[in-house]
Amino acid sequence: AQSVTQLDSQVPVFEEAPVELRCNYSSSVSVYLFWYVQYPNQGLQLLLKYLSGSTLVESINGFEAEFNKSQTSFHLRKPSVHISDTAEYFCAVLGQGGSEKLVFGKGTKLTVNP
Amino acid sequence: EAGVVQSPRYKIIEKKQPVAFWCNPISGHNTLYWYLQNLGQGPELLIRYENEEAVDDSQLPKDRFSAERLKGVDSTLKIQPAELGDSAVYLCASSPTGSSKEQYFGPGTRLTVT
Repeated sequence: AQSVTQLDSQVPVFEEAPVELRCNYSSSVSVYLFWYVQYPNQGLQLLLKYLSGSTLVESINGFEAEFNKSQTSFHLRKPSVHISDTAEYFCAVLGQGGSEKLVFGKGTKLTVNP
Repeated sequence: EAGVVQSPRYKIIEKKQPVAFWCNPISGHNTLYWYLQNLGQGPELLIRYENEEAVDDSQLPKDRFSAERLKGVDSTLKIQPAELGDSAVYLCASSPTGSSKEQYFGPGTRLTVT
């Protein structure tokens, strides 16, 4: 079975500051990793994913995440945030060749202040 | 391309009453998921369908919850009778056949049980 720990439940930052949202996972098998974003009163949208290959993955709106197998981490970063990035961010893990069950963390609420 | 459609968006009922949620997945997506998202938590899988077959319903509380996907397209999730603790957001997602790596989420139904 897999599990995900998002170390910060809330992260407040000022506009144009850098941000890092932390995610650690546990799994006995190789994994695929995902970050989803949820804006208020909306469903989850896939932000980026790691399936294989380069350990650094990027989204179209400036976020990036790096898969670190030795530290079992998949932290999300953005060098300069905007007000519009205010949302809840969920890290998720899917075990390879297993039950096809996506397991989510509890989420990190990112609030960008002017 | 239309996304995953869910209705209603909001529902308020009294405890012990029945309630039903409807989901229409993205056209051509044979895999459909129902998730439960409690306040301050990440989504948790309730049931996964491959076409009309429920292939993973291990997390569905079968004493009061039921689901169906009779024609392998849209799906209904029912609770009867509802309890106060069922207040949550119920999310539907879909993906191409056998590809849990590409899940697309609907906006969810927010249920309040009074």
